[in-house]
Amino acid sequence: RKEVEQDPGPFNVPEGATVAFNCTYSNSASQSFFWYRQDCRKEPKLLMSVYSSGNEDGRFTAQLNRASQYISLLIRDSKLSDSATYLCVVTGDFGNEKLTFGTGTRLTIIP
Amino acid sequence: NAGVTQTPKFRILKIGQSMTLQCAQDMNHNYMYWYRQDPGMGLKLIYYSVGAGITDKGEVPNGYNVSRSTTEDFPLRLELAAPSQTSVYFCASTQAGAWKETQYFGPGTRLLVL
Repeated sequence: RKEVEQDPGPFNVPEGATVAFNCTYSNSASQSFFWYRQDCRKEPKLLMSVYSSGNEDGRFTAQLNRASQYISLLIRDSKLSDSATYLCVVTGDFGNEKLTFGTGTRLTIIP
Repeated sequence: NAGVTQTPKFRILKIGQSMTLQCAQDMNHNYMYWYRQDPGMGLKLIYYSVGAGITDKGEVPNGYNVSRSTTEDFPLRLELAAPSQTSVYFCASTQAGAWKETQYFGPGTRLLVL
């Protein structure tokens, strides 16, 4: 089983629609979880951290289920500017500097 | 603040040549990292540093070397370039450790080894 597994897509979604991405991870000792966004030929940038209680930032909602080792990202009212690759990122246990990146889910918003 | 800067942006190397990828940050971050990203793959950690004078291997260190003589700079050295090192290289930094907080990435260096 891969350490971090994502559906690579591509997801082609009409503007205004809601889209959800999922990610599973294998290390039950992982402490922190993030969603990064990566535009074509650019560096990854933090989209949001993921907390056990769930968190929301505008149109974006992230959820963490530790029991199932599962992370999700929901994008509501999608915009053309949301087109990008979304990377699920999982840390190790306390003090472990190794981040594990998923291969990313590619999203294209269609006008 | 410029954040994390990387040079060069793009480089073509011949097999067996050597080069140094430069990385600098002006955020006074203690932790710095080098990653490589192959097409369709996730980022893989090459080396990291928790402070000046301290470096450690990541997941894929073979064929690379690093040094950290100052807080600001973290160069990555390729001694004998091989086609398998064709990739995009990202440098990143953070204040308190990757397991705790977000990393800030540089714009990347695209390397082609022929």
